[in-house]
Amino acid sequence: EPEVTQTPSHQVTQMGQEVILRCVPISNHLYFYWYRQILGQKVEFLVSFYNNEISEKSEIFDDQFSVERPDGSNFTLKIRSTKLEDSAMYFCASSENSPLHFGNGTRLTVT
Amino acid sequence: RKEVEQDPGPFNVPEGATVAFNCTYSNSASQSFFWYRQDCRKEPKLLMSVYSSGNEDGRFTAQLNRASQYISLLIRDSKLSDSATYLCVVNMYSSASKIIFGSGTRLSIRP
Repeated sequence: EPEVTQTPSHQVTQMGQEVILRCVPISNHLYFYWYRQILGQKVEFLVSFYNNEISEKSEIFDDQFSVERPDGSNFTLKIRSTKLEDSAMYFCASSENSPLHFGNGTRLTVT
Repeated sequence: RKEVEQDPGPFNVPEGATVAFNCTYSNSASQSFFWYRQDCRKEPKLLMSVYSSGNEDGRFTAQLNRASQYISLLIRDSKLSDSATYLCVVNMYSSASKIIFGSGTRLSIRP
């Protein structure tokens, strides 16, 4: 069964550094998403991407965040200057329309 | 009002019991609805979609009440392996651009 893959599984970075989280969505899917989940809290919507542009973004997705689909297969989330409160699990998801198929997540730890 | 709201639980029930979860959503134009389960520190996984006429998958039954804007999940004959967090998920728009998760209801099944 095709799956969404995310790399790395765990990323440790220092406050103020840039990080790029990578995802390979399921190949025939059209919609791509990033969610985050702070430990012990809910799964929060960050952004959706369709037809090579952002469809929707939440209040969390401020100027420090950006997404790209650079080569037709990868879908990346960049955080320009990480803060301590960015520490969370970041999930990538894709869908044909809905429902969502999730990757295993990247645990980001900002120190 | 929160976009998607669930009773956080926890529900602690004996094996074999029947347990029901409810979820309410704020946007009457929401188009599609799902239940996901999430095990500790794992990605959410689709349990079932929720259809207007209600639907059943083995021991699981989902219902949708559009007039009252709520969704329910019923688990019959609960098993130890049903212990997880159950997430109510709502596609806020017809375009699948914004899919929002409830905060989840934690279920523990005891022997």
